Amino acid sequence: AQTVTQSQPEMSVQEAETVTLSCTYDTSENNYYLFWYKQPPSRQMILVIRQEAYKQQNATENRFSVNFQKAAKSFSLKISDSQLGDTAMYFCAFMNTNAGKSTFGDGTTLTVKP
Amino acid sequence: EADIYQTPRYLVIGTGKKITLECSQTMGHDKMYWYQQDPGMELHLIHYSYGVNSTEKGDLSSESTVSRIRTEHFPLTLESARPSHTSQYLCASSEPSSQGYLDGYTFGSGTRLTVV
Repeated sequence: AQTVTQSQPEMSVQEAETVTLSCTYDTSENNYYLFWYKQPPSRQMILVIRQEAYKQQNATENRFSVNFQKAAKSFSLKISDSQLGDTAMYFCAFMNTNAGKSTFGDGTTLTVKP
Repeated sequence: EADIYQTPRYLVIGTGKKITLECSQTMGHDKMYWYQQDPGMELHLIHYSYGVNSTEKGDLSSESTVSRIRTEHFPLTLESARPSHTSQYLCASSEPSSQGYLDGYTFGSGTRLTVV
């Protein structure tokens, strides 16, 4: 069974600054996918970024990028130029390639301060 | 703009009532999932389906049941609601991309259920 750990329950950052959210996971599989999702207060959860385990290059989506360290089983999310709209709960998730089921971490509540 | 729809958005119901939470998607995805999420907490998989007439129980024990008669529809039913069922229920779907890799989930807006 896979486990996903987010060690930072809450974080805050000043607007326009950079923040990094941590995620570690445990699996015996070699091929899998990792995701970060964003859940704004009382709003729909949306996909932020995806990383395939077989790719060494870190994924980037505009202001969002990841630092994927496969050997260390680490998958952190960096948000650059933080905006007030980035305030949300962020979930790290692991998906195995065979079943398509995802295991989620406990989430990190991020507050962007003006 | 959501392509996966959950109704109702909020529901308050008395103990012992039977309820069905609706989930429909217009994307033609084969894979669909139900997660339970307590406020400010992680998501727990309670049911999933890989296609019509395919349903499986998830990692979290649940007294609910699901059905998948049509690709687009994946309702969740509680035969007899109890206060311990009070939670948010999230429906999601996924499908391999045209490039062959697995994409992430598309989530519905959720149903917040309160059993009194």
